[in-house]
Amino acid sequence: QQQVKQSPQSLIVQKGGISIINCAYENTAFDYFPWYQQFPGKGPALLIAIRPDVSEKKEGRFTISFNKSAKQFSLHIMDSQPGDSATYFCAASIVEGKLIFGQGTELSVKP
Amino acid sequence: DAGVIQSPRHEVTEMGQEVTLRCKPISGHDYLFWYRQTMMRGLELLIYFNNNVPIDDSGMPEDRFSAKMPNASFSTLKIQPSEPRDSAVYFCASSSRFDNEQFFGPGTRLTVL
Repeated sequence: QQQVKQSPQSLIVQKGGISIINCAYENTAFDYFPWYQQFPGKGPALLIAIRPDVSEKKEGRFTISFNKSAKQFSLHIMDSQPGDSATYFCAASIVEGKLIFGQGTELSVKP
Repeated sequence: DAGVIQSPRHEVTEMGQEVTLRCKPISGHDYLFWYRQTMMRGLELLIYFNNNVPIDDSGMPEDRFSAKMPNASFSTLKIQPSEPRDSAVYFCASSSRFDNEQFFGPGTRLTVL
């Protein structure tokens, strides 16, 4: 019940394309859903986050879509760029401070 | 602020040796987290502290692992004795009680031979 399942494990997208990464959860008590971005040799960093009272949040080329009834949320990267190549983690929080992370998606954007 | 500081950045040791990883969280943050990252298991939460008190250590793999936070600006993660399967990147992160965002350090890459 505490798991967050992320797919796909890896993704290859052409420059200018749309990258889509999906996550699913079981526990309806989760109330905070962030996405973290990690470049090789670095720690993860917060990219964008959403709370369950909204269905979508957009920041620049990055959008989170949230479907409460389906218990799913996804990250869309519009106009994907080679600089977006990184590992992306979804996460969910039930208790103040503690995050449950998905397994990660390695994104490669080809020029 | 310099962000979360971890030391050492790289550690190579032999099986059976004691390893101590260090972390300085962002000043003013109330929460401190220790994570382990491997290809097989992804990003695992080992333990986290709130106001220097351990709250949840259910992710600590076994008694060989211990963590302390003697004050608000310093934490250690100790492995004794170390084993090859402990080889991983260990991250420290901190966050404020006013915001869920966790700020990660650069990590310590541990190799146990």
